[in-house]
Amino acid sequence: GESVGLHLPTLSVQEGDNSIINCAYSNSASDYFIWYKQESGKGPQFIIDIRSNMDKRQGQRVTVLLNKTVKHLSLQIAATQPGDSAVYFCAEKNGTSYGKLTFGQGTILTVHP
Amino acid sequence: ETGVTQTPRHLVMGMTNKKSLKCEQHLGHNAMYWYKQSAKKPLELMFVYNFKEQTENNSVPSRFSPECPNSSHLFLHLHTLQPEDSALYLCASSQAYKRGSYNEQFFGPGTRLTVL
Repeated sequence: GESVGLHLPTLSVQEGDNSIINCAYSNSASDYFIWYKQESGKGPQFIIDIRSNMDKRQGQRVTVLLNKTVKHLSLQIAATQPGDSAVYFCAEKNGTSYGKLTFGQGTILTVHP
Repeated sequence: ETGVTQTPRHLVMGMTNKKSLKCEQHLGHNAMYWYKQSAKKPLELMFVYNFKEQTENNSVPSRFSPECPNSSHLFLHLHTLQPEDSALYLCASSQAYKRGSYNEQFFGPGTRLTVL
């Protein structure tokens, strides 16, 4: 049959709004969770990470929330700017591995001026 | 820039060709990675090198052959590829790993590979 590409979830927001991007993970043994941002023509860029023994971590304009009960991770971006437009990926690291990251499919964020 | 460079940025090759992708990091890291990013799947880890030793091979077909001659350079040798191998190949580097630890990975811009 014909192959099809991934259909990534999309989020469109107005400049200045807050954005929330969600991610579900599968491995209870993951010890770190990481958010990456990928702009067109570039490789992924680290945003923020959180260890599995935490439930919240804040950075500059970004907050990551971890809910281990339902295996859910979210990235909140405050006062979203047009420069935040990109594909956002969550990734999880297996606690027993040498840096092996498993990435989610990604979410396309579009910020309108 | 991230301090990780990749060459070439674009590559078109036939199924019978042999080519190599090059990655170089200027960050003093000791761990390097190859990832594949295609339109059909999420970003996939291919190989991990820690202090020039391969520590992960994520069930990658043997037509992809990595080489890490030193901590600053990583190659991916390609031969007899298939059209479904067309993708963006990303290199990353980080501080050296110990089990259970996490060090931020810095990605290069990738090589866009098209196999005809």
